[in-house]
Amino acid sequence: DSGVTQTPKHLITATGQRVTLRCSPRSGDLSVYWYQQSLDQGLQFLIQYYNGEERAKGNILERFSAQQFPDLHSELNLSSLELGDSALYFCASSGRVSSEDTQYFGPGTRLTVL
Amino acid sequence: AQKVTQAQTEISVVEKEDVTLDCVYETRDTTYYLFWYKQPPSGELVFLIRRNSFDEQNEISGRYSWNFQKSTSSFNFTITASQVVDSAVYFCALSEGGNNDMRFGAGTRLTVKP
Repeated sequence: DSGVTQTPKHLITATGQRVTLRCSPRSGDLSVYWYQQSLDQGLQFLIQYYNGEERAKGNILERFSAQQFPDLHSELNLSSLELGDSALYFCASSGRVSSEDTQYFGPGTRLTVL
Repeated sequence: AQKVTQAQTEISVVEKEDVTLDCVYETRDTTYYLFWYKQPPSGELVFLIRRNSFDEQNEISGRYSWNFQKSTSSFNFTITASQVVDSAVYFCALSEGGNNDMRFGAGTRLTVKP
């Protein structure tokens, strides 16, 4: 158990809908990262937050947004969902903002868009 | 831009065989960090090891060992006396200093048969 929690574990929704994925980092960690794992794209970095501020952006679509709250939990919002958004979404956390830190991953949220 | 190549898509071995998973990386930075993660059938990503670019020492942890060679830009992972529980997808990943966009390889699916 990495100490990172994600809810829900599974999510099934329809095209055009909006969903919110939630992540709680390990105790004491200030950085939260979001990743998407799909069969065709593999594991892709989406976005990083550090202590409430956005710090790095990867291949995140404009339909997707994230935020980190004062209690350090983070939410990833996916809107106008398309079939191709079906994937496993991981959250990871690390202690600092630096790229040298090890990222510890949560169990993931499996999103299915029908 | 950084890149990680795991040329072996799938490997199948019989229990107790040794197996090496290859990882080749590309980066222009002199400061970078390499990681290996394991994704068992349950789906979570489990951290295995982190190595920085200034430390070329090989590492051994039980049945696991890692060979980092800057001259060939490789960071290979060997499992000695493989066990069925080692069956998983293994990912190699690279972070460049100052760049929080961690890049993952496509992964190698290892199947260990009894």
